[in-house]
Amino acid sequence: AQRVTQPEKLLSVFKGAPVELKCNYSYSGSPELFWYVQYSRQRLQLLLRHISRESIKGFTADLNKGETSFHLKKPFAQEEDSAMYYCALSPDTDKLIFGTGTRLQVFP
Amino acid sequence: DGGITQSPKYLFRKEGQNVTLSCEQNLNHDAMYWYRQDPGQGLRLIYYSQIVNDFQKGDIAEGYSVSREKKESFPLTVTSAQKNPTAFYLCASSSGLARGSGELFFGEGSRLTVL
Repeated sequence: AQRVTQPEKLLSVFKGAPVELKCNYSYSGSPELFWYVQYSRQRLQLLLRHISRESIKGFTADLNKGETSFHLKKPFAQEEDSAMYYCALSPDTDKLIFGTGTRLQVFP
Repeated sequence: DGGITQSPKYLFRKEGQNVTLSCEQNLNHDAMYWYRQDPGQGLRLIYYSQIVNDFQKGDIAEGYSVSREKKESFPLTVTSAQKNPTAFYLCASSSGLARGSGELFFGEGSRLTVL
């Protein structure tokens, strides 16, 4: 079955601390994975995609096929990073399957 | 102003009534989607459409219906058969999830409350 698992509902850190939001997936094919973010009172939007191997707002995510993971990382969290983060899997070219989301709280 | 517009933002419905949520986009996107967002459950796909006059069921289509008569519009009807309709509904569109893309553009959402 195609599934995305985000084990943490809430992650709280202090400003300047490293952040790692976990994402594991279940898919037998060649996965395409993404991170979406929803800031307070804003629309859900794409943060980054694994195929681009990009760093956005200091965040990176590496696809580990052996561990079937796509964890989102940032070395030094900022208060403006506080948001809801969703990991998503595209099993084909038709749709995206989302995880349950992790709320990141960054305290000053 | 380009983007996706959902209406209404808030809607109250009595049990047993059908209600239709509107979703319009002017991004010239072929694909459109409806998700339901519940606390602790993330986004779950209700229906999606890749092209006009065609749509497919998602993971939780029971109790919902859609139509795609125009490229710009993808209304969702929450029928009385939906057992737990109180939720936040998100519409999205995409130019197509060809490999390397994967970007959905979301509306602001519609919150439906059944009284």
